[in-house]
Amino acid sequence: QSVLTQPPSVSGAPGQSVTISCTGSSSNIGAGHSIHWYQQRPGIPPKALIYDNFNRPSGVPDRFSGSKSGTSASLAITGLQAEDEADYYCQSYDSSVSGWMFGGGTKLTVL
Amino acid sequence: QVQLVQSGAEVKKPGASVKLSCKASGYTFNRYTIQWVRQAPGQRLEWLGWINIVNGGTKYSQKFKGRVTITRDTSATTAYLDLRSLTFEDTAVFYCARGTHTGWSDYWGQGTLVTVSS
Repeated sequence: QSVLTQPPSVSGAPGQSVTISCTGSSSNIGAGHSIHWYQQRPGIPPKALIYDNFNRPSGVPDRFSGSKSGTSASLAITGLQAEDEADYYCQSYDSSVSGWMFGGGTKLTVL
Repeated sequence: QVQLVQSGAEVKKPGASVKLSCKASGYTFNRYTIQWVRQAPGQRLEWLGWINIVNGGTKYSQKFKGRVTITRDTSATTAYLDLRSLTFEDTAVFYCARGTHTGWSDYWGQGTLVTVSS
């Protein structure tokens, strides 16, 4: 079973920066498939933060940025705010299973 | 404005089936796909499948193949998810989402809680 691996948790103080990684394989990120990132607060549907590796949907602050290299991708959040406390998920297509998949999710705590 | 409105919560017994709906409005229905994603309590997001609104073509997660069917009614701008042979592990919130050609979803429904209980 192909997977996208994320750290279970990250934390940072207000104003600081954090990075959330998403490690895949040659059948998903490494195959050139786009990476997308979502933010999810408790009890609320996910919200797209980054699409197609590094693009931000309208309304998403430029404090959020995405990057990709090889079989991994990262979501960077600068100038942490209390409202950033949420779960973050990466998503990519996987050729070996011919479908999309999500990472395990990363809980961001703003200290 | 774009809206995806899902049907209400369901309680089902093990072995039963459930059919969920997702009513789309505020955009041209056949210009996007509809994806279905679920989230068990405290668990990750899990992709179930996707439907091409134009031709009805579908793609399903291998995990759910044979147990899930996604359909659409273009006249009603509504997509449906049919999940059969329910088990306790199917208890989850099910989301529909508007999908783009690269697979990301820009608008999501409010979610439907499906509880499987004896």
